[in-house]
Amino acid sequence: KAGVTQTPRYLIKTRGQQVTLSCSPISGHRSVSWYQQTPGQGLQFLFEYFSETQRNKGNFPGRFSGRQFSNSRSEMNVSTLELGDSALYLCASSLEVGVYGYTFGSGTRLTVV
Amino acid sequence: AQSVAQPEDQVNVAEGNPLTVKCTYSVSGNPYLFWYVQYPNRGLQFLLKYITGDNLVKGSYGFEAEFNKSQTSFHLKKPSALVSDSALYFCAVRAGGSQGNLIFGKGTKLSVKP
Repeated sequence: KAGVTQTPRYLIKTRGQQVTLSCSPISGHRSVSWYQQTPGQGLQFLFEYFSETQRNKGNFPGRFSGRQFSNSRSEMNVSTLELGDSALYLCASSLEVGVYGYTFGSGTRLTVV
Repeated sequence: AQSVAQPEDQVNVAEGNPLTVKCTYSVSGNPYLFWYVQYPNRGLQFLLKYITGDNLVKGSYGFEAEFNKSQTSFHLKKPSALVSDSALYFCAVRAGGSQGNLIFGKGTKLSVKP
C-alpha cells in the first residue's frame, strides 16, 4: 500500500512569504502528526490531528498552523516566514492516537532565503 | 517534564560486533517507548516499540530493545552490526500517557565500519 506522501519535496521561499505543505497519510490512518527537524534542535513536535481535530500542539508560534480534512489528509501552513524556519518538515501517520507506531513521509525540505 | 535523552551523539562499531544505542526517559505514568531509524534524506522508519509486557522487545532488521523500569532506560541493541545499519537512530516516548504527543531524543549517529 502507498506510504505517507508529502508534497512538495523541496521548497524555496523568501522571508515574509507564507507556505503550505501537504501530507497524505496511509489509507485508513486517521492520525497525522507534524514535526520540524533541524540539525540544532532535532525533531520538534508541531501538532497532531485526529478526525479533523487538533489533539496536541507543540511550542511553536502562531505563525505555524495546520488542519486535517475529512479524508485524513493534512496541511500545515507557515505564515510570515523567517530564516529560522528553514528545516525538514516531516509528517507521520498512525491508525489512531496512542500506542501505535508512526509511519513517516520523506519530508518537505523548506529553505527560506 | 516528559523527556527522553540519548547520551551519545555518535556510536562507532566494527561490522560483526554487537551494538548498543542508549536511551533514557522521564515520564509520568507508564511509558510508551519507540525506536526509529533515519537514513540520509529520508523520513523516519519505525523499528520497534514497548507498550507493556516482556522487557525485551524485538523489532525490524534484527534490532531489539531492553526496557528497564528501574533505570528508566530503553537501549537499542543488535547482536551483530552491519555496515548498512549506519544511520541516525531516534528514541521516542509518548508524553502524558497513550494520548500524548511523541517526544524524540536528539538522535544518535551509528557508524558501522567494515
